[in-house]
Amino acid sequence: KQEVTQIPAALSVPEGENLVLNCSFTDSAIYNLQWFRQDPGKGLTSLLLIQSSQREQTSGRLNASLDKSSGRSTLYIAASQPGDSATYLCAGLTTDSWGKLQFGAGTQVVVTP
Amino acid sequence: GAVVSQHPSRVICKSGTSVKIECRSLDFQATTMFWYRQFPKKSLMLMATSNEGSKATYEQGVEKDKFLINHASLTLSTLTVTSAHPEDSSFYICSARDRDRGWLNTEAFFGQGTRLTVV
Repeated sequence: KQEVTQIPAALSVPEGENLVLNCSFTDSAIYNLQWFRQDPGKGLTSLLLIQSSQREQTSGRLNASLDKSSGRSTLYIAASQPGDSATYLCAGLTTDSWGKLQFGAGTQVVVTP
Repeated sequence: GAVVSQHPSRVICKSGTSVKIECRSLDFQATTMFWYRQFPKKSLMLMATSNEGSKATYEQGVEKDKFLINHASLTLSTLTVTSAHPEDSSFYICSARDRDRGWLNTEAFFGQGTRLTVV
């Protein structure tokens, strides 16, 4: 069974700094990995989807990398803003999962003005 | 991106009553939807996979008689918490993928979540 771990559990940075969020997974049969943002009491907003054939995906200030051999994905958020404060979750999809995602516990980010 | 609408966003009910939560895909069809439960400061735990026109598939440890799932159409799945108790209080979130694009190559979209409080 796929296990997904996110470190650190919480992170606080001053505005303007770059954020680096880590996600590791145990099953190298991962097909794709998705990063989400969750605001308190809200649902999940999809940020980026990286297919196993890709090494990187970018959207605006966000960049996510995927290294299947080492079982890692990293989400970079450039020039952080207070509005980036949220919990960030990564989730892996394996080919035998029939669409079910395996989630990490998330990294709670606080960007201070 | 695709939109998944979940309703209600917040519900308070008395112990022993039943509560129904709806999950709709607004601009795509979803053969399969997923129901998750989230405890405070914890990750999402998959409860069940909802299949249009057939029985839901429940994860180990989830009581199918307590959490009734119905997926009557390609755009609507419902989760009914029957005879709710305080320990059922939680945040419930549904998810769906676009049937026409296949589950392997597309992202999963999530509803806004439902905060259930049983008093």
